[in-house]
Amino acid sequence: SQQGEEDPQALSIQEGENATMNCSYKTSINNLQWYRQNSGRGLVHLILIRSNEREKHSGRLRVTLDTSKKSSSLLITASRAADTASYFCATPRAGGTSYGKLTFGQGTILTVHP
Amino acid sequence: DAGITQSPRHKVTETGTPVTLRCHQTENHRYMYWYRQDPGHGLRLIHYSYGVKDTDKGEVSDGYSVSRSKTEDFLLTLESATSSQTSVYFCAISGIYNEQFFGPGTRLTVL
Repeated sequence: SQQGEEDPQALSIQEGENATMNCSYKTSINNLQWYRQNSGRGLVHLILIRSNEREKHSGRLRVTLDTSKKSSSLLITASRAADTASYFCATPRAGGTSYGKLTFGQGTILTVHP
Repeated sequence: DAGITQSPRHKVTETGTPVTLRCHQTENHRYMYWYRQDPGHGLRLIHYSYGVKDTDKGEVSDGYSVSRSKTEDFLLTLESATSSQTSVYFCAISGIYNEQFFGPGTRLTVL
């Protein structure tokens, strides 16, 4: 099963609304990352939050991390049509020498209607 | 795209033929990765490299081999392509905080 799993699988909102996506994971981590993928493109790194951080901001993005619940959330405020994309959480692979390997969740498909 | 290119961007081939995909980076990063992305399976790691001539298997490595003779190039080879290898293939490099930067992808169709 996936180390990181996003919820919901799909989210449809109107421009200007906030979008919240959640990610749950199973093993202890030292960081968690969020990525965006526009249709037909490669993934783009959005933000990394370390295990000793509870919240992090980047522009209209706010990420929280709750290590006790093994969960993270990504909030996009004042969404725009250009935010339409798939969003993935990723966690370092557990055990051994990771060499920076990540496990990606299935993603949340966000659609923002103008 | 963080100085990562992939070639070809699209390829159609027939079952049983060998196929090589190329990933080229200009960032001089040590770690490189090959993923495949399929509906319902998300992004899955095929092989990765932690240095020149140093490679190892990921979670879906059967039917694939890789080579890295130079820091900047990481090649993925399908020795004998099968229809199950129809997918979108992404190359990535790892930054100093283990964030990953992805190439634009190669869409491979095996008929």
